[in-house]
Amino acid sequence: KQEVTQIPAALSVPEGENLVLNCSFTDSAIYNLQWFRQDPGKGLTSLLLIQSSQREQTSGRLNASLDKSSGRSTLYIAASQPGDSATYLCAVKRSNDYKLSFGAGTTVTVRA
Amino acid sequence: DAGVIQSPRHEVTEMGQEVTLRCKPISGHDYLFWYRQTMMRGLELLIYFNNNVPIDDSGMPEDRFSAKMPNASFSTLKIQPSEPRDSAVYFCASSLRGTNEKLFFGSGTQLSVL
Repeated sequence: KQEVTQIPAALSVPEGENLVLNCSFTDSAIYNLQWFRQDPGKGLTSLLLIQSSQREQTSGRLNASLDKSSGRSTLYIAASQPGDSATYLCAVKRSNDYKLSFGAGTTVTVRA
Repeated sequence: DAGVIQSPRHEVTEMGQEVTLRCKPISGHDYLFWYRQTMMRGLELLIYFNNNVPIDDSGMPEDRFSAKMPNASFSTLKIQPSEPRDSAVYFCASSLRGTNEKLFFGSGTQLSVL
């Protein structure tokens, strides 16, 4: 069974600081990994999807890296803004499974 | 495209009542997923459809839960009879190629069973 862990559960940073969010998984035989953003009372929005053959994906201020051998992914958000305040979840798809295994998320607060 | 549309946004009902949640996936998406989110258990996959056919319903907690997809643009999740422990946020998501690609989630239905 794939276990996905996100630590810390919450963090608070001042505006302008770079954010580093961590995701670890126990089974390195993955197909892809997605980072989602969830705002209070809203659904999940897929931010980035990294295929197992890739090392990183970038979109604007967001950069996600993947290290399968160590079972880790990191989401970097540059120059954080109050609008980045949300819960960020990672989800892993194993190679031999259609299901996504979700982490519990990291709730981010960016202080103005 | 308007994205994945779910209704109602909020549902409050009494124990024993039937509850029906609705979902309209993004046009052209062949895969539809129903998830449940709670603080205790996080996100759980209940069932998913491919081309309107239920592929795996092993996540459906009990026989009280049922899901249908009569056509490519509409799906329902029904709970009958509802119980307080069913209280959660229920999400519908769709995608072009299952979990090989990005999932697009609806805004969810907040269900409270009293």
